[in-house]
Amino acid sequence: EVQLVESGGGLIQPGGSLRLSCVASGFTISSHSMNWVRLAPGKGLEWISYISSRSDTIHYADSLKGRFTVSRDNAKNSLYLEMNSLRDEDTAIYYCAREVEVRQYVMDVWGQGTTVTVSS
Amino acid sequence: DIQMTQSPSSLSASVGDRLTITCRASQSINTYVNWYQQKPGKAPNLLIFAASSLQSGVPSRFSGSGSGTDFTLTISSLQPEDFATYFCQQSYSIPRTFGQGTKLAIK
Repeated sequence: EVQLVESGGGLIQPGGSLRLSCVASGFTISSHSMNWVRLAPGKGLEWISYISSRSDTIHYADSLKGRFTVSRDNAKNSLYLEMNSLRDEDTAIYYCAREVEVRQYVMDVWGQGTTVTVSS
Repeated sequence: DIQMTQSPSSLSASVGDRLTITCRASQSINTYVNWYQQKPGKAPNLLIFAASSLQSGVPSRFSGSGSGTDFTLTISSLQPEDFATYFCQQSYSIPRTFGQGTKLAIK
């Protein structure tokens, strides 16, 4: 079964750091670009980061202002999101999503999400 | 960045109703639009890609149309399991922006 499983979320104080992980099974992530997307309480989905299959192209949402870093380890079939200087507004469910090209780019497989709560 | 303006933000409907959700892009994006369904506590589920292609396993009551800047998601006959939140998303460029979402409730 094709699956993504995120982990690493939790309760963290403002200004703190967390590292999220996303492990793939049933497919090899080395063939795919990957994305991180979040869903904050009462808000819509927000795309936050993209990393190409070989890590040679990386993008972030402007709203993150350089606080987050995406990386991947294809040998471990894993994707990561390092989050620093966390703020209340970073409270959200964080999803990793596989991107495929089927005539165009589609996030076709998503993890179940990991919850990050930033609060003192 | 390309903005995706989705409407309505919420609506109430009954089982068996036909409904349409619209999404407008801030610039022409050909057919680079995908639609997702999300239920509380669950991951988003891909319904439609490339504006009008039905994802494998998705019921045929879901359909999508549009090109350029205006796109629609139509559910031909609402079923109880369709009450959820729906999002459009553009994949024409990065950032891969989403619409604000449409929350569909039972009337």
